Order: sequence, then structure tokens, then C-alpha cells
Amino acid sequence: QKEVEQDPGPLSVPEGAIVSLNCTYSNSAFQYFMWYRQYSRKGPELLMYTYSSGNKEDGRFTAQVDKSSKYISLFIRDSQPSDSATYLCAMSVRNNNDMRFGAGTRLTVKP
Amino acid sequence: DGGITQSPKYLFRKEGQNVTLSCEQNLNHDAMYWYRQDPGQGLRLIYYSQIVNDFQKGDIAEGYSVSREKKESFPLTVTSAQKNPTAFYLCASSISGGAGTDTQYFGPGTRLTVL
Repeated sequence: QKEVEQDPGPLSVPEGAIVSLNCTYSNSAFQYFMWYRQYSRKGPELLMYTYSSGNKEDGRFTAQVDKSSKYISLFIRDSQPSDSATYLCAMSVRNNNDMRFGAGTRLTVKP
Repeated sequence: DGGITQSPKYLFRKEGQNVTLSCEQNLNHDAMYWYRQDPGQGLRLIYYSQIVNDFQKGDIAEGYSVSREKKESFPLTVTSAQKNPTAFYLCASSISGGAGTDTQYFGPGTRLTVL
């Protein structure tokens, strides 16, 4: 069993839809949770960062962490074609050196 | 213009050859990282360096080597001992490598193909 599981998709939605992306994990010691966006043939860029449980909102993006269920989510409201990318979840116990990444979910938002 | 640069963008190697991937940052970050990305798998850490002249193995260091002689540079050598080197290689940096997770900034990547 992988430490971090993420459905690779692909996921295709119409413009304006609400998108839900999810990851599950097995290591209960994870306490830092991140979502990265990666455009094709580019490096990932950090979208959201959450410490421990709870919700965090930034514009159209909301990150949720449920440590009791070992489940994290990223919601994108009013999705745009420019949101088309691969979304990677990542989590760590202590710092960047022990970070574990999901395989990524490829999202396409159609105009 | 601050950021991380990686070169070359595409690299082709014959079996049995060593190749070196370049990574440079002008963000004045102490910590630098090398990851490997394969289809259907998450990024995996190869090596990291928290400070000049010091580096540590990550999860998949076998067949790779690094050096950190300058703060801004962290080259990765893929040796002939690496059994399956074809992959997308990503370099990243962060302000420090200490406790907590400060933001990692990634370069554009190098796609290595072994012929």
C-alpha cells in the first residue's frame, strides 16, 4: 500500500463547475499537507498549505484536512480552463525532507 | 528575475554514460532538493542539501550523486549504475531545510531519456 493514494483521473469538467480532488494516506504522523499545481512539462507550484486539521480558503480554492479519516481534499469553485493541470497532493511529518507526494490527478476544464 | 533554472530541458543519454543535470537558484535559499517524477507515481526525493558542502540521501539515491560547492548550485549526476534513469527530474529549493515546511520552489525540470 502506498503511503499516499491519489486517483490519477483524468477528470474532465465544464467551465464553472466545482471540482473536488482528494487524497488518502496511511501515515497518521503526517501533519503538514500541501496541494501543488503542475502544468504540462513544467515544475509544480504550491497552491495551498495546511498544518494539521481544518479548512483553508484562498480565493476559488479551499483545502480540507480530516486527520481522523486520513483524507484531504482540494475544492476549486467556478473552475476555469486555465485550471487545467495536474494537481499533486503532498504531506510530511517534520519537514520538506520527508515529504510524500501523490501521483497527481489530471484535470481538464472545458470552455 | 528570481527563480530556479534547470538545464538542459531535454537530455538523451546512451546506456553506460554518466550525465550531469544542472540546477541553479538565485533566491538565496539554503536548502535544495532533487526529485524524480515517473508516470503514475508521485515525486520521489533523490538527494537534498540543507547547507553548502553538506547533502543527504533521499529515498532513491542509488545510482545518483550530487555536490553542493556553492549555495546557488546543486548539480545531479546520473551514473551508469542507475538501472532505470529515464524520467523527468525536478530541482527545488526552500529558504531552509529545518523543522516545518517552508515553500519549495521548483524548477522547470529536465527530461532525461536513455537510448
